[in-house]
Amino acid sequence: DVQVTQSPSSLSASVGDRVTITCRASQSISTYLNWYQQKPGKAPNLLIYTASNLQSGVPSGFSGSGSGTDFTLTISSLQPDDFATYFCLQTYSLPYTFGQGTKLEIK
Amino acid sequence: QVLLQQSGPGLMKPSQTLYLTCAISGDSVSSNRAAWNWVRQSPSRGLEWLGRTYYRSKWYYDYAVSVRSRTTINPDTSKNQFSLQLNSVTPEDTAVYYCVRQDYSRSVPIYNWFDPWGQGTLVTVSS
Repeated sequence: DVQVTQSPSSLSASVGDRVTITCRASQSISTYLNWYQQKPGKAPNLLIYTASNLQSGVPSGFSGSGSGTDFTLTISSLQPDDFATYFCLQTYSLPYTFGQGTKLEIK
Repeated sequence: QVLLQQSGPGLMKPSQTLYLTCAISGDSVSSNRAAWNWVRQSPSRGLEWLGRTYYRSKWYYDYAVSVRSRTTINPDTSKNQFSLQLNSVTPEDTAVYYCVRQDYSRSVPIYNWFDPWGQGTLVTVSS
């Protein structure tokens, strides 16, 4: 199985800050890495697919990069609505596996 | 726009069988450019992929090893939905269960991602 290690598990930041979250896969997964935002009591929402493609309707302040084993989600300037939990998902091989999640909190 | 609407019980007793359905609108369960997955989420286990079904001239099924022996995912073409059956539930199966569409890119290489997700169903297993 592909193990996906996400860091940090939690993060405190302020509105306007630039934030970076990383996922590392235990083997190369090309760019089969997707990023999601989840708010309490809600289903996950796709932000970035295939490592760097911005999903339609997602603000341009979100971006993704990486390939192989190392991936990054960047929020260029935090907005109040961005405080949520973020996680990554690899869809390179079965079983599909998720990062542990990063809870982004207001400082 | 694809929408997934889940239904099923929220409270179960140990040893019972969990049955959830996911109704699809805006796509077909028989689509040859999608797969239909079940995922669950709990504080102790995080997000866990359970399995999927998809149609490529015939039906295919994949399951996570952890639940394979007691899980069945079935499509229902007459209702355009798919279901999750999980036998012999225990308190460790307590989680929010999601149905999810797996979308595939139109170009080569063929990438894929999970979108959209159903609204989630909190299933609590307790005696």
